Amino acid sequence: NAGVTQTPKFRILKIGQSMTLQCTQDMNHNYMYWYRQDPGMGLKLIYYSVGAGITDKGEVPNGYNVSRSTTEDFPLRLELAAPSQTSVYFCASSYEGTGANVLTFGAGSRLTVL
Amino acid sequence: QQQVKQSPQSLIVQKGGISIINCAYENTAFDYFPWYQQFPGKGPALLIAIRPDVSEKKEGRFTISFNKSAKQFSLHIMDSQPGDSATYFCAASGGSNYKLTFGKGTLLTVNP
Repeated sequence: NAGVTQTPKFRILKIGQSMTLQCTQDMNHNYMYWYRQDPGMGLKLIYYSVGAGITDKGEVPNGYNVSRSTTEDFPLRLELAAPSQTSVYFCASSYEGTGANVLTFGAGSRLTVL
Repeated sequence: QQQVKQSPQSLIVQKGGISIINCAYENTAFDYFPWYQQFPGKGPALLIAIRPDVSEKKEGRFTISFNKSAKQFSLHIMDSQPGDSATYFCAASGGSNYKLTFGKGTLLTVNP
């Protein structure tokens, strides 16, 4: 039981490049989330999903896109990377049956945009 | 705007001491208040949580104190150990919104 797995762990992008951060969970959780963490700023919600085919914007969605084609996977797409997207990204999941607000986090993906 | 204000930003405690981290919230609809612990290079992990029907919850050396009238809650770490050195986040959710709103975090350092 791996929990929430994120790849890659580290990535350096040039301004204007695009990439996808992968997230998969094997707990059959129906809710999934993407957060970004910046020093001293806490965790900000980017996008979330309550099930396959359903996604919605969080607090800071600009510059990002998501899709949820399966229960297990919730990739985060960065289009036209900007230095402001330099951050650590965390994927999380939860199960409505035991508490939609009880989150299990992945280990994070550190992204640097130069 | 829903907010959770956390203080202090950083905290240094000697081994064996008590660490106290405070959070305040504005939204009276919040009814779930968790604390997450994050070690360097790792994702946050749920440490302990409380609902407003009780004023205190204890799990081992970790205690949440909750003051509904003041809209405040705090994390107390008794007999703090160097292994407790981590970043701690408070959070809140409730009402029609199950999504967590996080505080900005407290970096705790416990010196040996």
